[in-house]
Amino acid sequence: AQSVTQPDIHITVSEGASLELRCNYSYGATPYLFWYVQSPGQGLQLLLKYFSGDTLVQGIKGFEAEFKRSQSSFNLRKPSVHWSDAAEYFCAATGTGANNLFFGTGTRLTVIP
Amino acid sequence: GAGVSQSPSNKVTEKGKDVELRCDPISGHTALYWYRQSLGQGLEFLIYFQGNSAPDKSGLPSDRFSAERTGGSVSTLTIQRTQQEDSAVYLCASSRGRDSLFTDTQYFGPGTRLTVL
Repeated sequence: AQSVTQPDIHITVSEGASLELRCNYSYGATPYLFWYVQSPGQGLQLLLKYFSGDTLVQGIKGFEAEFKRSQSSFNLRKPSVHWSDAAEYFCAATGTGANNLFFGTGTRLTVIP
Repeated sequence: GAGVSQSPSNKVTEKGKDVELRCDPISGHTALYWYRQSLGQGLEFLIYFQGNSAPDKSGLPSDRFSAERTGGSVSTLTIQRTQQEDSAVYLCASSRGRDSLFTDTQYFGPGTRLTVL
């Protein structure tokens, strides 16, 4: 069965510090993988996505994610966090022929000055 | 508007009442999705519309839930005889409707927060 796990419910980082949000997936075939961000009162916005090729993908707002097949992981990273990055982050997966995305439970990011 | 809009933004209802939630997709998008975001849960797929094809209703949790998409545009999600466990944020998304969900980016609305008392 398809599933996406985000083991960290809430993470707090200082502004300017580096960030890594974890995502593990369980999917039968090679999955399409996504990271979305949800700011308060806003809809989800796509940060980046991966299907094949270079395992390090760059997204918007300075985010990147690395696909590691051996670990079934697709962790999101940012070298230096800004206060405006405070939001909820969702990892998602899907595959060929699927009609929908499978989302993790989300990680809430708090940024402290 | 340029994005997906949903109304109302907040809805409070009493247990047992019916509610209707509306979604206006991006103009020209043939695919439309409804998801539910419950407290502490990820987004849960509910239903998917693609053009004139029969909708994929595989995610609807019970027969109290139904959705329509009129004229290939606006969609209404209806919950009958609401229960407290229906309290959640209901999100709508639309996309151009290409073959692959990898290339067919979903654009999400801000959601409707439903509270059932």
